Amino acid sequence: DQQVKQNSPSLSVQEGRISILNCDYTNSMFDYFLWYKKYPAEGPTFLISISSIKDKNEDGRFTVFLNKSAKHLSLHIVPSQPGDSAVYFCAASANFGNEKLTFGTGTRLTIIP
Amino acid sequence: GAVVSQHPSRVICKSGTSVKIECRSLDFQATTMFWYRQFPKKSLMLMATSNEGSKATYEQGVEKDKFLINHASLTLSTLTVTSAHPEDSSFYICSVGGGGARTDTQYFGPGTRLTVL
Repeated sequence: DQQVKQNSPSLSVQEGRISILNCDYTNSMFDYFLWYKKYPAEGPTFLISISSIKDKNEDGRFTVFLNKSAKHLSLHIVPSQPGDSAVYFCAASANFGNEKLTFGTGTRLTIIP
Repeated sequence: GAVVSQHPSRVICKSGTSVKIECRSLDFQATTMFWYRQFPKKSLMLMATSNEGSKATYEQGVEKDKFLINHASLTLSTLTVTSAHPEDSSFYICSVGGGGARTDTQYFGPGTRLTVL
């Protein structure tokens, strides 16, 4: 039972344009959501998070939007840079990220120079 | 954030042998560490939660006798894959819950690639 889903396994975006990565969840107990970036043969690196009391969180080029009614979140990267090419995982938790994280299957983002 | 190391980064072993993977929290005293496994092109799956000084909590479907976890100190947790078989080949990642400037996320180690022949 995949409680966190990333339906796009891959995405290609031109450098300088906006990258939008999507994530859906089914468990209504999730109240904290995180995005991680992962390079091959490395552990995930935390990017940005959002609590269910907010619908938007911004950090530099990264913005996460949360639509609780739709159980959907998205990560916007603008402008996209070649170094952004990686696999992006969304994750969800029922307690502020210090508890068990449930990960999505990941989206491979390729930025085309 | 917290700095987490893992050793070894890569290991190849014969079927039937046991392999120990170490996870160290270098700058943060971690009462809780997490062990994940990632199969190729799949999601990270939580295997167990490692608690310092007590028994680990295993996720459903994870064999505790096969994946032995020891969390003897606040900076070290070990995962031992006993009697490894080819289907245990995977990428194993540990994480530390919170720490550093943020208390609301986990910091991951670089991972260990296990290949069982």
